[in-house]
Amino acid sequence: GDSVTQMEGPVTLSEEAFLTINCTYTATGYPSLFWYVQYPGEGLQLLLKATKADDKGSNKGFEATYRKETTSFHLEKGSVQVSDSAVYFCALSHAATGANSKLTFGKGITLSVRP
Amino acid sequence: GAGVSQSPSNKVTEKGKDVELRCDPISGHTALYWYRQSLGQGLEFLIYFQGNSAPDKSGLPSDRFSAERTGGSVSTLTIQRTQQEDSAVYLCASKEGAANYGYTFGSGTRLTVV
Repeated sequence: GDSVTQMEGPVTLSEEAFLTINCTYTATGYPSLFWYVQYPGEGLQLLLKATKADDKGSNKGFEATYRKETTSFHLEKGSVQVSDSAVYFCALSHAATGANSKLTFGKGITLSVRP
Repeated sequence: GAGVSQSPSNKVTEKGKDVELRCDPISGHTALYWYRQSLGQGLEFLIYFQGNSAPDKSGLPSDRFSAERTGGSVSTLTIQRTQQEDSAVYLCASKEGAANYGYTFGSGTRLTVV
């Protein structure tokens, strides 16, 4: 079955540092890939997505590129801010019309950014 | 409503008691999902409702867990004879149509079984 593997956490960075959070996946076919973020006390929010190989998703300074050859979707940001402190989840889903397109999540990683 | 609403936000229950968790999805969203978020385990799919179709219950961990969705809107997740390992955050999400994006998550119900 499908699975998503994220690097172990937590991660603590200083403000303005470069961020990379690794994510690899195992799935049949061509899933869509997502990064979700959960800020303290809030629900999960979609951060970015990519629906096919070589697509780059981007939002709020974060980027991730769908790499089918390495089955990866690593999240990067050039300069993190304290407000980026949150839990980040990598996920995949299959495009399916009229069928269960549930998300399969990684375990999540907690990012703490100190001033 | 403007978002997915879950209640209660926190629930503490004694081992062996039954609990009901409620999810009120965004109006017009035909798909509704329940997930469980356990410490260190990520998010685990529990059950999926799509319109009037039979639900996909393949993620329910045991027969103590059940869910229903009345009138294609509000959903209730019921856990019978709760155990300590049921302690987790239970998240509900809804989306419009069959596309595999556009999910809106609620803030969850934190269940603690003592």
